[in-house]
Amino acid sequence: NAGVTQTPKFRILKIGQSMTLQCTQDMNHNYMYWYRQDPGMGLKLIYYSVGAGITDKGEVPNGYNVSRSTTEDFPLRLELAAPSQTSVYFCASIQGGNTEAFFGQGTRLTVV
Amino acid sequence: QKEVEQNSGPLSVPEGAIASLNCTYSDRGSQSFFWYRQYSGKSPELIMFIYSNGDKEDGRFTAQLNKASQYVSLLIRDSQPSDSATYLCAVISQNFVFGPGTRLSVLP
Repeated sequence: NAGVTQTPKFRILKIGQSMTLQCTQDMNHNYMYWYRQDPGMGLKLIYYSVGAGITDKGEVPNGYNVSRSTTEDFPLRLELAAPSQTSVYFCASIQGGNTEAFFGQGTRLTVV
Repeated sequence: QKEVEQNSGPLSVPEGAIASLNCTYSDRGSQSFFWYRQYSGKSPELIMFIYSNGDKEDGRFTAQLNKASQYVSLLIRDSQPSDSATYLCAVISQNFVFGPGTRLSVLP
């Protein structure tokens, strides 16, 4: 049982480049989330999805896009990377209600 | 007002003492409340969740929820140096929102 898998674990981007952070879960969870965590800070919600085909913005969506074509996958797209997007990104999934959220191992992104 | 707030740290307690971590939330319709522990450079890991008013105990950890006051706390009894980490409060309201975290240091 793999849980939530994020790739890559580390990435260095140049300003203006684009990339996709991958997130896959094998637990058939409806809810999936993308967070960013800056040093010494909590998790800020970027985007979330309540099911395939449904996505919505969180607290800090600017500069990011997501899609949810399947229940399993919830990729996060960065267009025109900026130094302000240097952060650790976490993907999480939850079945819903009073249940545990499962986290991926995180992606450490540096934009230079 | 931020959706989820936590007492500012860092919090330092001696080994064997009780550590008390506090969290308040703004959405009165929030249903589920979680405490996560996060070690530096690692993913958050669930300590416990609570959704009914009152206390919930799991080993050395006790979560307390007061929906009328929109307050949830975590008590760690017999604190150990291995408990030194950042503790994140999370709330399910319209989505799954985290507080800024409280850094706890347990001194040997």
